[in-house]
Amino acid sequence: EDQVTQSPEALRLQEGESSSLNCSYTVSGLRGLFWYRQDPGKGPEFLFTLYSAGEEKEKERLKATLTKKESFLHITAPKPEDSATYLCAVQVVQAGTALIFGKGTTLSVSS
Amino acid sequence: DVKVTQSSRYLVKRTGEKVFLECVQDMDHENMFWYRQDPGLGLRLIYFSYDVKMKEKGDIPEGYSVSREKKERFSLILESASTNQTSMYLCASRGRGRASPLHFGNGTRLTVT
Repeated sequence: EDQVTQSPEALRLQEGESSSLNCSYTVSGLRGLFWYRQDPGKGPEFLFTLYSAGEEKEKERLKATLTKKESFLHITAPKPEDSATYLCAVQVVQAGTALIFGKGTTLSVSS
Repeated sequence: DVKVTQSSRYLVKRTGEKVFLECVQDMDHENMFWYRQDPGLGLRLIYFSYDVKMKEKGDIPEGYSVSREKKERFSLILESASTNQTSMYLCASRGRGRASPLHFGNGTRLTVT
């Protein structure tokens, strides 16, 4: 069975304290891995797509990396406005067009 | 920018009512989706559609149906609302390209009393 697991469930950081969120996946054939940010009461907002192991993408203080079994979302010198829930999702060959989501990591950054 | 618009942000309905949730996208995307999101359970796929008048069941289709009469519009129908359908409902669309991302609306918070 295809699975996506995110850890930790919740993470509290001080402003400027860098850290990483993990997304591990067990899938039969990966077509792409996605990271989203979700603010309370809103829909998820697309951040990155990663297609193959070794690939990296960056946006401001965020950097996403991909290996054959997991992806990391690195947050460098976070600010309070980075507080949100971060979701990871995969598209697998057998599942067709739908994505399989992890349950998310809720990040809180305090000043 | 892709825009996915859900017709209501908040809805309160009574048990047994028929409920329609509407979603419109402006990017000519072939694929549209309905998810529900609950604390501790994450996002779960209810139904999706890859073309007009086409639909596929997701992981939790029981108690729901969908309609796609036009490419830009995808409706979720709760035939007889129940309290366990109280949830946040998220509509999304995506294009046909390999691993193109989902684009989400802002959700409808449905409460069934």
